[in-house]
Amino acid sequence: KAGVTQTPRYLIKTRGQQVTLSCSPISGHRSVSWYQQTPGQGLQFLFEYFSETQRNKGNFPGRFSGRQFSNSRSEMNVSTLELGDSALYLCASSLLLGADTEAFFGQGTRLTVV
Amino acid sequence: GENVEQHPSTLSVQEGDSAVIKCTYSDSASNYFPWYKQELGKGPQLIIDIRSNVGEKKDQRIAVTLNKTAKHFSLHITETQPEDSAVYFCAASRGRASYDKVIFGPGTSLSVIP
Repeated sequence: KAGVTQTPRYLIKTRGQQVTLSCSPISGHRSVSWYQQTPGQGLQFLFEYFSETQRNKGNFPGRFSGRQFSNSRSEMNVSTLELGDSALYLCASSLLLGADTEAFFGQGTRLTVV
Repeated sequence: GENVEQHPSTLSVQEGDSAVIKCTYSDSASNYFPWYKQELGKGPQLIIDIRSNVGEKKDQRIAVTLNKTAKHFSLHITETQPEDSAVYFCAASRGRASYDKVIFGPGTSLSVIP
């Protein structure tokens, strides 16, 4: 069974640009969550999608957005990149909605903003 | 706001010794406590979890204990091996709540010295 796939693995962008990250969940999983991981702030929740609907959003500015497609694949977009957006972006999929359902993480996309 | 404290931030043990990581949570409504292991270059992986109706859970060399009164929970790894070297995260959530209610600890970097 294939795991959670995130593409690309690494990205280097310039301040002011925008970026789109992709996440393919485990087959059959309908819930996808996104997290930002930095050394200073740890793991911070970005948003959660279930059946193409955003169910929850973390405390991030509107420059961070996402969507989920009918096949459960999800994308997140960051516009007008800032240096502070440099981080590892992790996607997690789970079978059901809810925090006590096991979440399977992808390897992440390492974004560097220069 | 709610938070989860985790200690120690770094831990070095000799191969074969035990390792203990402790977490304290502030939200008294938390009832689900997962532990994640993150190896270098990979996403977090759930290694064990415990719910509030259980005081202890064991899976081979890994065990977790929960003291709801004191709002403490701990991860115990016995007979450590070099492949146990990783960053470990504890988390607390309200179970059926969505992933935005999952609060992660800052992580413990465990090094097992051969």
